[in-house]
Amino acid sequence: NAGVTQTPKFQVLKTGQSMTLQCAQDMNHNSMYWYRQDPGMGLRLIYYSASEGTTDKGEVPNGYNVSRLNKREFSLRLESAAPSQTSVYFCASLGGGVLQPQHFGDGTRLSIL
Amino acid sequence: DAKTTQPPSMDCAEGRAANLPCNHSTISGNEYVYWYRQIHSQGPQYIIHGLKNNETNEMASLIITEDRKSSTLILPHATLRDTAVYYCIVRVPRGGAGSYQLTFGKGTKLSVIP
Repeated sequence: NAGVTQTPKFQVLKTGQSMTLQCAQDMNHNSMYWYRQDPGMGLRLIYYSASEGTTDKGEVPNGYNVSRLNKREFSLRLESAAPSQTSVYFCASLGGGVLQPQHFGDGTRLSIL
Repeated sequence: DAKTTQPPSMDCAEGRAANLPCNHSTISGNEYVYWYRQIHSQGPQYIIHGLKNNETNEMASLIITEDRKSSTLILPHATLRDTAVYYCIVRVPRGGAGSYQLTFGKGTKLSVIP
């Protein structure tokens, strides 16, 4: 049981380049989330998708776009990467039931030069 | 949204109980307290959650005060593998039924000492 899978695990970009971070879950969860974590900080929500076909902004959405491709997949795109977007990006999913915990992937470490 | 306050760091001797406190004085009556931990650079891992009763599972125990303004996560016999950052989170409903945002603070860095 893979849970939440993120690809790639590491990436280095130059300023202005674009990139899509991929996330897939195999738990048949309705809701999916993208967070970023900067050094010494907690996680901050970028975007989330409550269900297939819907997306909504979180705390720090500027500079990002998302796509809920299907129930399994939720991608995060940086159209024009900036050094301030250097961070570790985590994807999470949440199943049915109001008490269920979120399940997290192991992150994508992104450096923008 | 209810905020949480945790000490930035704590040490615990290996084999002893680790007691991690959290204050959430503005918590609402229907908000749950969740605990996650993050080991090194891995994704956060769910530990336990509760509303007002004490809870126990295979990983930890959660003690919530009667007024619900604070809670304590207890790792009964800490091991070196329990060294991690521990996050206390009050769960806020957002995005409709079944979809909840988690607001992560800076957590408590627990160091288990041999």
